[in-house]
Amino acid sequence: GAVVSQHPSWVICKSGTSVKIECRSLDFQATTMFWYRQFPKQSLMLMATSNEGSKATYEQGVEKDKFLINHASLTLSTLTVTSAHPEDSSFYICSARKLEGAYNEQFFGPGTRLTVL
Amino acid sequence: QKEVEQDPGPLSVPEGAIVSLNCTYSNSAFQYFMWYRQYSRKGPELLMYTYSSGNKEDGRFTAQVDKSSKYISLFIRDSQPSDSATYLCAMSAPANNLFFGTGTRLTVIP
Repeated sequence: GAVVSQHPSWVICKSGTSVKIECRSLDFQATTMFWYRQFPKQSLMLMATSNEGSKATYEQGVEKDKFLINHASLTLSTLTVTSAHPEDSSFYICSARKLEGAYNEQFFGPGTRLTVL
Repeated sequence: QKEVEQDPGPLSVPEGAIVSLNCTYSNSAFQYFMWYRQYSRKGPELLMYTYSSGNKEDGRFTAQVDKSSKYISLFIRDSQPSDSATYLCAMSAPANNLFFGTGTRLTVIP
Protein backbone atom coordinates (compact mmCIF):
# COMPACT_ATOMS: atom_id res chain seq x y z
CA GLY A 1 0.00 0.00 0.00
CA ALA A 2 0.84 3.72 0.17
CA VAL A 3 0.99 4.51 -3.54
CA VAL A 4 0.91 8.10 -4.73
CA SER A 5 0.46 8.98 -8.38
CA GLN A 6 1.01 12.21 -10.28
CA HIS A 7 -0.32 13.31 -13.61
CA PRO A 8 1.08 14.27 -15.97
CA SER A 9 4.55 12.83 -15.59
CA TRP A 10 5.95 15.51 -17.88
CA VAL A 11 4.58 18.58 -19.57
CA ILE A 12 5.90 21.19 -21.95
CA CYS A 13 4.05 24.46 -22.23
CA LYS A 14 4.46 27.93 -23.66
CA SER A 15 5.34 30.88 -21.50
CA GLY A 16 2.24 32.58 -20.12
CA THR A 17 0.03 29.50 -20.03
CA SER A 18 -1.19 27.67 -16.94
CA VAL A 19 -0.46 24.06 -16.08
CA LYS A 20 -2.31 21.81 -13.65
CA ILE A 21 -0.64 18.89 -11.92
CA GLU A 22 -2.65 16.25 -10.06
CA CYS A 23 -1.53 14.25 -7.07
CA ARG A 24 -3.54 11.24 -5.95
CA SER A 25 -3.16 8.80 -3.08
CA LEU A 26 -4.36 5.58 -4.69
CA ASP A 27 -4.83 3.19 -1.79
CA PHE A 28 -5.06 5.35 1.31
CA GLN A 29 -6.58 8.55 2.57
CA ALA A 30 -4.28 11.49 3.10
CA THR A 31 -5.15 14.28 5.50
CA THR A 32 -2.20 16.27 4.33
CA MET A 33 -0.42 16.55 1.03
CA PHE A 34 2.80 18.41 0.32
CA TRP A 35 4.17 19.99 -2.81
CA TYR A 36 7.90 20.18 -3.44
CA ARG A 37 10.06 21.37 -6.27
CA GLN A 38 13.48 20.05 -7.08
CA PHE A 39 16.12 21.59 -9.30
CA PRO A 40 18.78 19.38 -10.91
CA LYS A 41 21.18 17.87 -8.39
CA GLN A 42 19.50 19.70 -5.53
CA SER A 43 17.32 18.54 -2.71
CA LEU A 44 13.59 18.91 -2.36
CA MET A 45 12.28 22.32 -1.45
CA LEU A 46 8.91 22.39 0.25
CA MET A 47 6.56 24.79 -1.51
CA ALA A 48 3.33 24.32 0.39
CA THR A 49 1.32 22.08 2.67
CA SER A 50 -2.31 21.39 1.89
CA ASN A 51 -4.95 19.93 4.15
CA GLU A 52 -8.18 18.56 2.80
CA GLY A 53 -10.90 21.16 2.82
CA SER A 54 -8.77 24.10 3.90
CA LYS A 55 -6.40 26.63 2.40
CA ALA A 56 -2.84 25.63 1.70
CA THR A 57 0.02 26.91 3.80
CA TYR A 58 2.82 28.29 1.66
CA GLU A 59 6.49 28.42 2.54
CA GLN A 60 8.25 31.74 2.64
CA GLY A 61 9.09 33.00 -0.82
CA VAL A 62 6.48 30.91 -2.63
CA GLU A 63 3.85 33.00 -4.39
CA LYS A 64 0.42 31.66 -3.52
CA ASP A 65 -1.21 33.44 -6.47
CA LYS A 66 1.20 31.81 -8.86
CA PHE A 67 1.10 28.31 -7.42
CA LEU A 68 -2.55 27.54 -6.74
CA ILE A 69 -3.19 24.50 -4.61
CA ASN A 70 -6.51 22.77 -4.17
CA HIS A 71 -7.07 19.80 -1.88
CA ALA A 72 -10.65 18.84 -2.65
CA SER A 73 -10.70 15.36 -1.19
CA LEU A 74 -8.69 12.98 0.99
CA THR A 75 -7.16 11.44 -2.12
CA LEU A 76 -6.60 14.36 -4.49
CA SER A 77 -4.60 17.56 -4.46
CA THR A 78 -3.83 19.75 -7.46
CA LEU A 79 -1.11 22.30 -8.12
CA THR A 80 -1.73 24.88 -10.83
CA VAL A 81 1.22 26.89 -12.07
CA THR A 82 -0.36 30.06 -13.42
CA SER A 83 1.20 32.18 -16.14
CA ALA A 84 4.20 29.90 -16.25
CA HIS A 85 7.61 31.27 -17.19
CA PRO A 86 10.86 29.50 -18.06
CA GLU A 87 12.17 29.97 -14.52
CA ASP A 88 9.26 27.80 -13.32
CA SER A 89 10.74 24.85 -15.20
CA SER A 90 11.49 22.27 -12.57
CA PHE A 91 10.63 18.85 -11.20
CA TYR A 92 7.50 19.07 -9.05
CA ILE A 93 6.89 16.29 -6.55
CA CYS A 94 3.95 15.76 -4.25
CA SER A 95 3.77 13.63 -1.15
CA ALA A 96 0.94 12.44 1.03
CA ARG A 97 0.72 11.67 4.71
CA LYS A 98 -1.47 8.77 5.77
CA LEU A 99 -4.56 9.46 7.82
CA GLU A 100 -3.84 6.62 10.22
CA GLY A 101 -0.10 6.21 9.90
CA ALA A 102 2.92 7.44 11.78
CA TYR A 103 2.53 11.16 11.99
CA ASN A 104 5.46 12.23 9.89
CA GLU A 105 5.63 9.42 7.36
CA GLN A 106 5.23 10.78 3.85
CA PHE A 107 4.88 8.88 0.60
CA PHE A 108 6.03 10.54 -2.57
CA GLY A 109 4.63 10.61 -6.05
CA PRO A 110 6.82 9.97 -9.10
CA GLY A 111 7.13 13.67 -9.90
CA THR A 112 6.14 15.89 -12.82
CA ARG A 113 8.75 17.47 -15.01
CA LEU A 114 7.62 20.88 -16.21
CA THR A 115 9.38 22.62 -19.06
CA VAL A 116 8.26 26.13 -19.95
CA LEU A 117 9.39 27.38 -23.34
CA GLN B 1 23.73 26.73 9.54
CA LYS B 2 21.44 24.35 7.66
CA GLU B 3 19.04 22.22 9.64
CA VAL B 4 20.37 19.08 7.95
CA GLU B 5 23.80 18.56 6.44
CA GLN B 6 24.59 15.80 4.00
CA ASP B 7 27.65 15.26 1.84
CA PRO B 8 26.42 15.43 -1.77
CA GLY B 9 29.13 13.09 -3.03
CA PRO B 10 29.29 11.70 -5.60
CA LEU B 11 30.27 8.38 -4.08
CA SER B 12 31.45 5.48 -6.23
CA VAL B 13 32.00 2.00 -4.85
CA PRO B 14 32.61 -1.43 -6.39
CA GLU B 15 29.83 -3.98 -6.36
CA GLY B 16 29.70 -5.88 -3.07
CA ALA B 17 31.16 -3.06 -0.99
CA ILE B 18 29.61 -1.75 2.20
CA VAL B 19 28.30 1.77 1.73
CA SER B 20 28.03 4.27 4.55
CA LEU B 21 25.88 7.37 4.12
CA ASN B 22 25.59 10.00 6.81
CA CYS B 23 23.75 13.13 7.85
CA THR B 24 24.18 15.52 10.71
CA TYR B 25 21.60 17.88 12.09
CA SER B 26 21.34 20.76 14.47
CA ASN B 27 17.78 20.65 15.80
CA SER B 28 17.60 18.56 18.97
CA ALA B 29 13.80 18.41 18.62
CA PHE B 30 14.04 16.05 15.64
CA GLN B 31 12.66 12.64 16.57
CA TYR B 32 11.66 11.07 13.27
CA PHE B 33 14.41 10.04 10.87
CA MET B 34 14.02 8.73 7.37
CA TRP B 35 16.09 7.66 4.42
CA TYR B 36 14.74 7.99 0.91
CA ARG B 37 16.15 6.62 -2.32
CA GLN B 38 15.60 8.60 -5.48
CA TYR B 39 16.38 7.32 -8.93
CA SER B 40 17.02 9.82 -11.68
CA ARG B 41 13.86 11.66 -12.75
CA LYS B 42 11.74 9.77 -10.22
CA GLY B 43 10.14 10.65 -6.90
CA PRO B 44 11.80 9.65 -3.63
CA GLU B 45 11.01 6.20 -2.26
CA LEU B 46 10.95 5.62 1.48
CA LEU B 47 13.66 3.13 2.47
CA MET B 48 13.91 3.32 6.23
CA TYR B 49 11.94 5.03 8.96
CA THR B 50 13.20 5.33 12.53
CA TYR B 51 11.77 6.97 15.59
CA SER B 52 14.27 8.36 18.11
CA SER B 53 17.64 6.68 18.69
CA GLY B 54 18.80 3.19 17.84
CA ASN B 55 19.30 0.84 14.94
CA LYS B 56 16.90 -0.59 12.43
CA GLU B 57 17.68 -3.30 9.93
CA ASP B 58 15.82 -4.25 6.77
CA GLY B 59 17.55 -6.73 4.50
CA ARG B 60 20.81 -5.21 3.28
CA PHE B 61 19.97 -1.83 4.79
CA THR B 62 20.70 -0.67 8.33
CA ALA B 63 19.75 2.74 9.70
CA GLN B 64 21.39 4.15 12.79
CA VAL B 65 20.43 7.19 14.80
CA ASP B 66 22.67 8.75 17.44
CA LYS B 67 20.71 11.61 18.93
CA SER B 68 23.48 12.51 21.39
CA SER B 69 25.76 13.28 18.45
CA LYS B 70 22.94 14.45 16.15
CA TYR B 71 24.17 12.00 13.56
CA ILE B 72 22.35 9.45 11.44
CA SER B 73 23.70 6.80 9.12
CA LEU B 74 22.51 4.41 6.47
CA PHE B 75 24.58 1.32 5.72
CA ILE B 76 24.13 -0.75 2.60
CA ARG B 77 25.71 -4.21 2.67
CA ASP B 78 26.66 -6.16 -0.45
CA SER B 79 25.92 -3.15 -2.63
CA GLN B 80 24.47 -3.80 -6.07
CA PRO B 81 24.45 -1.74 -9.28
CA SER B 82 20.71 -1.35 -8.76
CA ASP B 83 21.49 0.58 -5.57
CA SER B 84 22.92 3.39 -7.72
CA ALA B 85 20.72 6.38 -6.89
CA THR B 86 20.60 9.51 -4.80
CA TYR B 87 19.97 8.90 -1.10
CA LEU B 88 18.21 11.60 0.86
CA CYS B 89 18.02 11.77 4.61
CA ALA B 90 15.01 13.49 6.12
CA MET B 91 13.94 14.26 9.65
CA SER B 92 11.35 16.11 11.62
CA ALA B 93 10.16 17.10 15.03
CA PRO B 94 6.68 16.06 16.19
CA ALA B 95 3.90 17.94 14.40
CA ASN B 96 6.41 19.47 12.03
CA ASN B 97 7.42 19.23 8.42
CA LEU B 98 10.26 17.19 7.01
CA PHE B 99 13.71 18.67 6.58
CA PHE B 100 15.76 17.07 3.84
CA GLY B 101 19.46 16.74 3.29
CA THR B 102 20.81 17.64 -0.13
CA GLY B 103 21.17 13.96 -1.06
CA THR B 104 24.22 11.81 -1.75
CA ARG B 105 24.63 10.46 -5.25
CA LEU B 106 25.82 6.85 -5.14
CA THR B 107 27.16 4.79 -8.03
CA VAL B 108 27.85 1.08 -7.58
CA ILE B 109 30.24 -0.12 -10.24
CA PRO B 110 29.77 -3.70 -11.52
